Amino acid sequence: EAGVTQFPSHSVIEKGQTVTLRCDPISGHDNLYWYRRVMGKEIKFLLHFVKESKQDESGMPNNRFLAERTGGTYSTLKVQPAELEDSGVYFCASSLGDRPWVYGYTFGSGTRLTVV
Amino acid sequence: AQKITQTQPGMFVQEKEAVTLDCTYDTSDQSYGLFWYKQPSSGEMIFLIYQGSYDEQNATEGRYSLNFQKARKSANLVISASQLGDSAMYFCAMIGPTSGTYKYIFGTGTRLKVLA
Repeated sequence: EAGVTQFPSHSVIEKGQTVTLRCDPISGHDNLYWYRRVMGKEIKFLLHFVKESKQDESGMPNNRFLAERTGGTYSTLKVQPAELEDSGVYFCASSLGDRPWVYGYTFGSGTRLTVV
Repeated sequence: AQKITQTQPGMFVQEKEAVTLDCTYDTSDQSYGLFWYKQPSSGEMIFLIYQGSYDEQNATEGRYSLNFQKARKSANLVISASQLGDSAMYFCAMIGPTSGTYKYIFGTGTRLKVLA
């Protein structure tokens, strides 16, 4: 089966521009998660979808970030307008259920975002 | 608050030797799970091993074992017989009811380099 696919793999944008990251989860995985790693720091949770519904978006940094999952399939994460501190690697993961010790999460390879 | 601490930013090990990657955690939850992930240069996060807080035996998966010392709140990863392909970033992570059983708390990672 295909894994979790993220694109683009790299994006370099100027401060103030808009960027949209996309995540295609494993087919049939209702749960989708976004995480972010800022350089040298820990990987932090951003939000959790179950199908098209946001279950938890407590980790979203501010209202410049908008995540969607229309139709419960792929998800997008838009940053508008981008700031320098948004640079980092954005990971997406998906799972059948929301208990990783039972279902396991599959992560994508991440999108490396650089804001200059 | 839940926290994962990985104090080794980088480690070197000679091929075929064993290496221990340190992880300590802080939580007030009685029930929690501890995970290790590997991130090779290709970027994807690969699940290695899981330890539940109530598991009496240390978890093992092939060449990976988790040295779980509950009283010390440590969950060190031991890789036996290191191979060149083990060179990667390694992340320790925790799940618990306080943060949400679907939400990983990650450490900052340890970069392991295996020397030929």
